[in-house]
Amino acid sequence: AQSVTQPDIHITVSEGASLELRCNYSYGATPYLFWYVQSPGQGLQLLLKYFSGDTLVQGIKGFEAEFKRSQSSFNLRKPSVHWSDAAEYFCAVGVNTDKLIFGTGTRLQVFP
Amino acid sequence: DAGVTQSPTHLIKTRGQQVTLRCSPISGHKSVSWYQQVLGQGPQFIFQYYEKEERGRGNFPDRFSARQFPNYSSELNVNALLLGDSALYLCASSKEYEQYFGPGTRLTVT
Repeated sequence: AQSVTQPDIHITVSEGASLELRCNYSYGATPYLFWYVQSPGQGLQLLLKYFSGDTLVQGIKGFEAEFKRSQSSFNLRKPSVHWSDAAEYFCAVGVNTDKLIFGTGTRLQVFP
Repeated sequence: DAGVTQSPTHLIKTRGQQVTLRCSPISGHKSVSWYQQVLGQGPQFIFQYYEKEERGRGNFPDRFSARQFPNYSSELNVNALLLGDSALYLCASSKEYEQYFGPGTRLTVT
């Protein structure tokens, strides 16, 4: 069965520090992979996506993610975190075009 | 362009009641999906509709139903509400495999 695992429930970083959020997926075929961000009480905003091609993808707000097929991973990175990045981050795999399977999320806290 | 809109924003219902949630997709998007997000969890897929046809259904009971209208807007209906139905209900419209989410409807069942 398809699944997404985000091992880190809660991460705390200092403003200006680098960030890596982990995501592992289980899916039999070539996956469509996504990262979304959710601010408290809000909907989900798409940060970036991987469909095929270059395994390093760039997204909005300075985020990037790298697809590693051998490790079934799609980790999200940012070189320097801003206080406004504090939010909940969700990794998702696309199944049968429009069904997304989400991980349980990683809550990012940023200290000044 | 306007994003995905959902109404109402918040809703409080009593156990056993019925509720209807509404969603308007981004202009030009023909696919609408519904997700349930319980507090502290990731969204769970409920339904997907494309061109008014149900394309997919998640592991939810028959109390949950949906439909899509000719203008591609959609309604999600939940009958015989249970306390466990309290959640944020998200609608997403999609084009070319990218899903864009609305702000959600917060449903509280008491």
